[in-house]
Amino acid sequence: AQSVTQPDIHITVSEGASLELRCNYSYGATPYLFWYVQSPGQGLQLLLKYFSGDTLVQGIKGFEAEFKRSQSSFNLRKPSVHWSDAAEYFCAGRSQGGSEKLVFGKGTKLTVNP
Amino acid sequence: NAGVTQTPKFRVLKTGQSMTLLCAQDMNHEYMYWYRQDPGMGLRLIHYSVGEGTTAKGEVPDGYNVSRLKKQNFLLGLESAAPSQTSVYFCASSYVSLNAEAFFGQGTRLTVV
Repeated sequence: AQSVTQPDIHITVSEGASLELRCNYSYGATPYLFWYVQSPGQGLQLLLKYFSGDTLVQGIKGFEAEFKRSQSSFNLRKPSVHWSDAAEYFCAGRSQGGSEKLVFGKGTKLTVNP
Repeated sequence: NAGVTQTPKFRVLKTGQSMTLLCAQDMNHEYMYWYRQDPGMGLRLIHYSVGEGTTAKGEVPDGYNVSRLKKQNFLLGLESAAPSQTSVYFCASSYVSLNAEAFFGQGTRLTVV
């Protein structure tokens, strides 16, 4: 089945440290991939997306993600985390040439220590 | 520009009652989605629509019905609410392109007692 998996439920980092959130996908062909962020009590906001071309994608708020076909991964990174980055992060995917379904991983909650 | 608006924002239902959640978007989007969000489960797709008059089942459709009579509105109905349907419900919409960003509403917190 087409799916997106986030292996880490909760990650804690110190402010100023680097961050990597993992996302793995299971699709027959390269999917369209997205990272969203959700602050407490809020809806979801798009950070970045990948659908073709350069495998390193830049997003808002200083985030970037790298698509690796060989590892079926689309990990989100930030070189230096700010306290305001504390939120829940969701990876999502759609199948190319297939269903319009947009499916989400279970999310990774990020805690930032001062 | 309101984007995606969900009504109501909060609701408490008794078991067996029915209700309809309304999602309205003013971006002329073709695709619309209903998700539920539960702790540790992420967002699970309930139903979706690829255009006016169309609907399709998602991952967890049981106990819900939907309608898309107008392009800008996507209604989610609970005919006989159950405590297992206590959740936060999100509506989203996007352009008719598989690489298009989905825009989300602010959510509806539903409690079934």
